[in-house]
Amino acid sequence: QLQLQESGPGLVKPSETLSLTCTVSEGSITSSSYYWGWIRQPPGKGLEWIGSLYYDGSTYYNPSLKSRVTIFADTSKNQLYLKLSSVIAADVAVYYCARQVMVPSTVWFDPWGQGTLVTVSS
Amino acid sequence: SSELTQDPAVSVALGQTVRITCQGDSLRRYDASWYQQKPGQAPVFVIYGKDKRPSGIPDRFAGSTSGNTASLTITGAQAEDEADYYCNSRDNHNVLFGGGTKLTVL
Repeated sequence: QLQLQESGPGLVKPSETLSLTCTVSEGSITSSSYYWGWIRQPPGKGLEWIGSLYYDGSTYYNPSLKSRVTIFADTSKNQLYLKLSSVIAADVAVYYCARQVMVPSTVWFDPWGQGTLVTVSS
Repeated sequence: SSELTQDPAVSVALGQTVRITCQGDSLRRYDASWYQQKPGQAPVFVIYGKDKRPSGIPDRFAGSTSGNTASLTITGAQAEDEADYYCNSRDNHNVLFGGGTKLTVL
């Protein structure tokens, strides 16, 4: 059964770059059937899509974060990466990676990783 | 506009039926998916492609759409259904989430 696991520093200083890794097991990120997404959730708030990566390397980002976000993958390691630059207090959130299905009529995410909390503080 | 709007909170008596709604212009063109999230856990999808239930999701969960409004209906709500529910759709290559609805089962 496909599993995703986020990892990375739990604490990032303001103005620095947040870097997270999503390790995918029991499935390949090179499958043409799927996208791979990053979603975040500030404490006590709702879900926010950050961006997604397709197996061919195409990326799609939330317009509100696009200037600060980079998503890429290392297919040899079956890992997905998120970089968010110039972090501020508003970037404090639980960050999730998830497998994404996007077809002409709809989109959904399944499964999700357990999430990792990132705090921004000096 | 590319937004999905949900009521912040809804309550239902145990065993009764509740409808959670999600409004947005993109729903006229794209189908919604729905997620259940319990405290401290990752979201779990309960409906995809407007009205399809993933394996393992009880048939008391149902999805539907009318115009610009998608609905998640729980028929015979159980105590374990108390959770936050999020709708999700797309607008071209953008992915949208609703703000979430907190469901309380009384």
